Amino acid sequence: SQTIHQWPATLVQPVGSPLSLECTVEGTSNPNLYWYRQAAGRGLQLLFYSVGIGQISSEVPQNLSASRPQDRQFILSSKKLLLSDSGFYLCAWSGTGVYEQYFGPGTRLTVT
Amino acid sequence: KQEVTQIPAALSVPEGENLVLNCSFTDSAIYNLQWFRQDPGKGLTSLLLIQSSQREQTSGRLNASLDKSSGRSTLYIAASQPGDSATYLCAAYSGGSNYKLTFGKGTLLTVNP
Repeated sequence: SQTIHQWPATLVQPVGSPLSLECTVEGTSNPNLYWYRQAAGRGLQLLFYSVGIGQISSEVPQNLSASRPQDRQFILSSKKLLLSDSGFYLCAWSGTGVYEQYFGPGTRLTVT
Repeated sequence: KQEVTQIPAALSVPEGENLVLNCSFTDSAIYNLQWFRQDPGKGLTSLLLIQSSQREQTSGRLNASLDKSSGRSTLYIAASQPGDSATYLCAAYSGGSNYKLTFGKGTLLTVNP
């Protein structure tokens, strides 16, 4: 069966510090991968998606970037965090040509 | 641009009651609609996926329906239990190579024992 992992589970970082969140998927190959952000009082916002290694598309211009160094690894990064980057970050995957998405446990990021 | 709305934002019911959660979307040209459950501080759990060619899907006590012409989907929960308490989210996929899901803001369900 497929599983999706995210770490860390929680993170508190000062403004201006770098960020690296990691997501890995097990039990499948060549998944589509997604990063979402869920802010308080707002719906989920798609940040990045990837259909293959090194293929990243950005949905929203922002202070963040994403990379996919391996087939089942997706990384969300920032060089300098802003207060507005605080939120709950969720990674998701879907099969190629399959629309159902499955989510990881999330990372709670607080920028102070 | 697809917009998804969920009403009510919060719902409180006594245990054992049957209930319906509503989801509406503005663009009827959707490929599918997915219902999720989210517990506090947790990720999303997929409950049901309805493809555009289907009218409903069932899983245990859950039944989801899709009416593209009216731009509506409903999630029916039978014989509710306290363990059903969570936020329920619906999301629509409207096509395109980005596989983007457009989410509603969710309905917070509380089932009281």
